[in-house]
Amino acid sequence: QVQLQESGPGLVKPSQTLSLTCTVSGGSISSGNYYWSWIRQHPGKGLEWIGYIYYSGTTFYNPSLKSRITISVDTSKNQFSLKLSSVTAADTAVYYCARNWDSTAHYFDYWGQGTLVTVSS
Amino acid sequence: EIVMTQSPATLSVSPGERATLSCRASQSVSSNLAWHQQKPGQAPRLLIHGASTRATGIPARFSGSGSGTEFTLTISSLESEDFAVYYCQQYNNWPLTFGGGTKVEIK
Repeated sequence: QVQLQESGPGLVKPSQTLSLTCTVSGGSISSGNYYWSWIRQHPGKGLEWIGYIYYSGTTFYNPSLKSRITISVDTSKNQFSLKLSSVTAADTAVYYCARNWDSTAHYFDYWGQGTLVTVSS
Repeated sequence: EIVMTQSPATLSVSPGERATLSCRASQSVSSNLAWHQQKPGQAPRLLIHGASTRATGIPARFSGSGSGTEFTLTISSLESEDFAVYYCQQYNNWPLTFGGGTKVEIK
């Protein structure tokens, strides 16, 4: 059973960089044809896909956030990470990591529990 | 970007009754549609992919139908654990997008 767990600071100051890590267990991040995504949910709102990474390092980002996002992977630690720069209060959300099924069907079959990040001074 | 619109926003249903949730895409997504269930304080869970294929371990009372721009999630007989928020998600075009959700609450 694949499990994903997000970790990182729960509070970030405006204009700083939000940094989160997702640790994958129960399977290798390098196996199969899986892609690995970040998704966020603003308080009381719906879901917004942020971007994905493949274990080779190939990335694809949501154009609405592209200029501020970096997603990276560390296969030796079975982790992938999100950096979101120049944050504002509008970036306050629960951030989830998730696994995309494969390159032809990007639905999310496993999700982490999510971590709340608040942007505030 | 494809906009996904779900209706109704809230659905009040009694246990044992049938629930029908709708999802509409702003342009065709073929059958590249998934449904996810989210309970308070929990991560979403995949229910349906390919518009009508149940994910592993999902009970048969959940069924999905539709293609193109109109989709339906049906819960044939609601059980207590089914009261939650349901999101549709298209994966036909980039960026991936979700509907705003339908909350299924106890009547």
